[in-house]
Amino acid sequence: QITLKESGPTLVKPTQTLTLTCTFSGFSLSTGGVGVGWIRQPPGKALEWLALIYWNDDKRYSPSLKSRLTITKDTSKNQVVLTMTNMDPVDTATYYCAHSRGCSSTSCRLGLDYWGQGTLVTVSS
Amino acid sequence: SYELTQPPSVSVSPGQTASITCSGDKLGDRYACWYQQKPGQSPVLVIYQDNKRPSGIPERFSGSNSGNTATLTISGTQAMDEADYYCQAWDNSTVVFGGGTKLTVL
Repeated sequence: QITLKESGPTLVKPTQTLTLTCTFSGFSLSTGGVGVGWIRQPPGKALEWLALIYWNDDKRYSPSLKSRLTITKDTSKNQVVLTMTNMDPVDTATYYCAHSRGCSSTSCRLGLDYWGQGTLVTVSS
Repeated sequence: SYELTQPPSVSVSPGQTASITCSGDKLGDRYACWYQQKPGQSPVLVIYQDNKRPSGIPERFSGSNSGNTATLTISGTQAMDEADYYCQAWDNSTVVFGGGTKLTVL
């Protein structure tokens, strides 16, 4: 059974760096074709993809946020970490991590098939 | 950047067929996925690779993708299908989501 859970601060101040951890079970991020991504959703708004890391440590970022994002993995701990610098109130959102498989260098054709419960991050002074 | 456009809202009567569209340049040349999200819950994958259903997704959910439009079809719509629906595709190795469609069953 695949599960993912996001953890991190619920409140950050403007200009601070956000660090979120996705802890997962039921799969290994060293298995070929597997990826873990981060997606966020501001209150009442649409989903926005942020980043994805592949089993081979290849990484992809949202073009509009690339300069602020870093995604890493710790295969031994079954964790994926996302850092976002220079936080702003517009970054207030629920942040999700999600699993994907069937990934190549260009896409994960089988979609984001398992999602965490999400964690709400508020940016305020 | 690549954009996917969805209608903000769609309404359907119980038992009828609901169709939600997703438009993007040459979208038919890419695989489309669809996600269902109910209030306060995480998104759930309901269609991948244009028309495939993950295990546990009812047969009333189906998908198609051709030209510039992908379509999610819900046959015999039930009250429990009322939710937000998001399409998703890949562009230049990055994930793109549509703006979402609120499906109302009334």
